[in-house]
Amino acid sequence: EVKLVESGGGLVQPGGSLRLSCAASGFTFSSYAMYWLRQVPGKGLEWVSAIGVSVTATFYADSVKGRFTISRDNSNNTLYLQMNSLRADDTAVYYCVRRDYPGPLDYWGQGTLVTVSS
Amino acid sequence: EIVLTQSPGTLSLSPGERATLSCRASQSVSSSYLAWFQQRPGQPPRLLMYSASSRATGIPDRFSGSGSGTDFTLTISRLEPEDFAVYYCQQFESLPWTFGQGTKVEIK
Repeated sequence: EVKLVESGGGLVQPGGSLRLSCAASGFTFSSYAMYWLRQVPGKGLEWVSAIGVSVTATFYADSVKGRFTISRDNSNNTLYLQMNSLRADDTAVYYCVRRDYPGPLDYWGQGTLVTVSS
Repeated sequence: EIVLTQSPGTLSLSPGERATLSCRASQSVSSSYLAWFQQRPGQPPRLLMYSASSRATGIPDRFSGSGSGTDFTLTISRLEPEDFAVYYCQQFESLPWTFGQGTKVEIK
């Protein structure tokens, strides 16, 4: 069974940093592109970042470029999102998602809530 | 950026009725890169359809998708109680990947 479990969310002050983790199991993690998406509670979905099978292939939404860094540890089946210079509009539930390349996003974690507030 | 516009915003129907949801793109999207997701309250989104018309694993055949170019449709032939949820279309043809704003299917 494919499982994606996010952790690391919480309350942080504007300008602060957080590191999200996503523990993957039930599939060959190193063979899949992985994504972070976010959702403001009660609102729509936004793609944040992606990393390919090759750790050098990374992509970011303009809203987070230069502040967020995606990475992966294939030996530990873990995806990360380092978030720096956090702003109030980064407040959202962050989802770790697998992509069945070249197909769609097929498995989602339960999400972790990040709240940026003073 | 490809903007996806879903309509209607809210669909009020009774169990057993047919639901038709629309997703319109601001520019042409290959049907190979158009997906639909269902989100129930308190849950993450779940993949329903990919390549516009292919059902994901475990999705019942009352769900169907169609369309091409800029106009896509998700149809639920007979609504079951568990189908009352929010539905999103998504394009993954070009970055940034974008989602529609969602259609809420609610019990009338």
